[in-house]
Amino acid sequence: DAGITQSPRHKVTETGTPVTLRCHQTENHRYMYWYRQDPGHGLRLIHYSYGVKDTDKGEVSDGYSVSRSKTEDFLLTLESATSSQTSVYFCAISAQGSSYNSPLHFGNGTRLTVT
Amino acid sequence: EDQVTQSPEALRLQEGESSSLNCSYTVSGLRGLFWYRQDPGKGPEFLFTLYSAGEEKEKERLKATLTKKESFLHITAPKPEDSATYLCAVQARGSQGNLIFGKGTKLSVKP
Repeated sequence: DAGITQSPRHKVTETGTPVTLRCHQTENHRYMYWYRQDPGHGLRLIHYSYGVKDTDKGEVSDGYSVSRSKTEDFLLTLESATSSQTSVYFCAISAQGSSYNSPLHFGNGTRLTVT
Repeated sequence: EDQVTQSPEALRLQEGESSSLNCSYTVSGLRGLFWYRQDPGKGPEFLFTLYSAGEEKEKERLKATLTKKESFLHITAPKPEDSATYLCAVQARGSQGNLIFGKGTKLSVKP
């Protein structure tokens, strides 16, 4: 295991409610990523972080925000959940920076359903 | 635009029947091409990284190859436990390590 824990593993929420997903790593890696996976699409990048308090947008960032106050934790927040945000969310980490070709290692995902 | 296309979408094999999965890519400067395996309910599991055309990597019954436009994942004498979705991804120069993924090939191996 790459030392990545995502919580919760499953969540059902109602449209319009705020939701926060957590990713915790024990590898002390600099880079962390949030992806979503939907049928008919490949994994798509939402946001990423290249250090504490350093974050940037990915391909599908609308409706999402992130925060990273500690190296080990990367939070993804849906400010007001919509049905289109029903998906499986994966966190990934990378040692990028020490080795440019470092692969990403993924957690086991959070399945979010917005009703 | 950087893009990854995998084919076929699904592949059914009999145990022992060798085959190949294809990953075609267009990217503005390839830093690396990655293969992952994903089991139901799990996150992608890293298999290989390929950096330049002509490179090959092997692991058990799997062998990955790379050309300037595509990569192949060859599966030799597959077993039922090789059943999974195989994902291909590219990393472009100038990216912050981000990977661009294809939609995957779902492999089923029947005993």
